[in-house]
Amino acid sequence: GENVEQHPSTLSVQEGDSAVIKCTYSDSASNYFPWYKQELGKRPQLIIDIRSNVGEKKDQRIAVTLNKTAKHFSLHITETQPEDSAVYFCAAGYNQGGKLIFGQGTELSVKP
Amino acid sequence: DVKVTQSSRYLVKRTGEKVFLECVQDMDHENMFWYRQDPGLGLRLIYFSYDVKMKEKGDIPEGYSVSREKKERFSLILESASTNQTSMYLCASSSPTGGAGNTIYFGEGSWLTVV
Repeated sequence: GENVEQHPSTLSVQEGDSAVIKCTYSDSASNYFPWYKQELGKRPQLIIDIRSNVGEKKDQRIAVTLNKTAKHFSLHITETQPEDSAVYFCAAGYNQGGKLIFGQGTELSVKP
Repeated sequence: DVKVTQSSRYLVKRTGEKVFLECVQDMDHENMFWYRQDPGLGLRLIYFSYDVKMKEKGDIPEGYSVSREKKERFSLILESASTNQTSMYLCASSSPTGGAGNTIYFGEGSWLTVV
């Protein structure tokens, strides 16, 4: 069945450093790849997404890259801040708004 | 602002009880989803619905059923709760029309403990 693998499961960085989270997906029909951030005790919220016709997308300090051939996509956070500390989930789906298959999550800790 | 409301934030139920988790969205979204969240396993799809009275199994439907009698409401039912169903349950909704902004929105989650 469809599968999304996410690494690493935990990531600790110093404030100001960059953080990278990587995901791979199995279903070649997937064409929509969102990233969600979940702060402690709160709901997951969309932070950035990318469609398969785009290789890279950037929004201020966060960026996502997609390699369709290798079925890899990654989240890059630059100049990390303590408020970036959260669990991050990648997901893959077919068409925006349809069901999403999620990765296992990465717990990011940014140390001041 | 999209609002997905889950009726109960915290529940404690006994093994064998029938459990109802209710979810209501106020954005006239066609699509609704139930996910289960467990540490190290991420969010796993239990059931989803793309229309009223329609339902499809996700990756882990065993032990669960759902009901979608009205467009705005999607209920998750545990016919006979078991301890391995202790988890956080997340409801979500979205619109299928595509385009910017039609993403999946989550509720606050329901923490279910089965004892």
